[in-house]
Amino acid sequence: GENVEQHPSTLSVQEGDSAVIKCTYSDSASNYFPWYKQELGKRPQLIIDIRSNVGEKKDQRIAVTLNKTAKHFSLHITETQPEDSAVYFCAASINRGSTLGRLYFGRGTQLTVWP
Amino acid sequence: DVKVTQSSRYLVKRTGEKVFLECVQDMDHENMFWYRQDPGLGLRLIYFSYDVKMKEKGDIPEGYSVSREKKERFSLILESASTNQTSMYLCASSLQMWANEKLFFGSGTQLSVL
Repeated sequence: GENVEQHPSTLSVQEGDSAVIKCTYSDSASNYFPWYKQELGKRPQLIIDIRSNVGEKKDQRIAVTLNKTAKHFSLHITETQPEDSAVYFCAASINRGSTLGRLYFGRGTQLTVWP
Repeated sequence: DVKVTQSSRYLVKRTGEKVFLECVQDMDHENMFWYRQDPGLGLRLIYFSYDVKMKEKGDIPEGYSVSREKKERFSLILESASTNQTSMYLCASSLQMWANEKLFFGSGTQLSVL
C-alpha cells in the first residue's frame, strides 16, 4: 500500500510567521492529497485538498503545493495566528483496485503558534 | 451539515471483555471507516466498508471485527479487549466509493482497557 511520511512532527512559530509542513508519498498512482486539522479535543476536519492534475491551491492564508515528480506535497500557512495551533495530518489516496476510497495518513504535525 | 455520531465519548472496559463501538451517520454516505488514533502514530485505519454487509481490512485489523447491517451504522467490535487496545477510536464517513471525497469524522471514543 501507500506510505506517507510527514515532517516535522512538531513545529513552533511566532504569531505572524509562516509555517510549512511537508509530506512525501511512495505510490506514483496516488492522485488526491487532503490536509486535515485537529484542534485539541476535537475531531479532524478537512481544511484543503489538491488533486494530481493541479500543482498548487490556495485558500486565504493556507496553500498546498504538489510536486508529482518528486512525490511530495506541502502545506503552507501564512500570517499564523494562535487559533492555527492544532495537529495537522496530510494524506494520500489511490484510485485503484481494492484501495478505492481510502486515505493513507501521515503521522501528524503538532503546530504551536506563540502570541 | 453531515453528522457522524459515536455512541460513547469515554468507555472503560476490562481485559477480555467484548466491546462494541457504534457509529451512525445521517447523510446516506456509502463509505464508513474506523480509525485508531495514538500519539505519534497518527490515524491508522482498522476497517472500512463501502456498502452494507461489505467490509475491507485496513492496516491494523488484528483483534477487531466490524459489522454493517444498515447503511447508516458501522460497528467496531473488540472480541476480547486487551490493554494494548486502549486508544482513541474515530469513526468517519464519506459520500461515494468511486471518488476521493471529504471524510467526516465523529467526535471519537476514548477507550481504556484495564
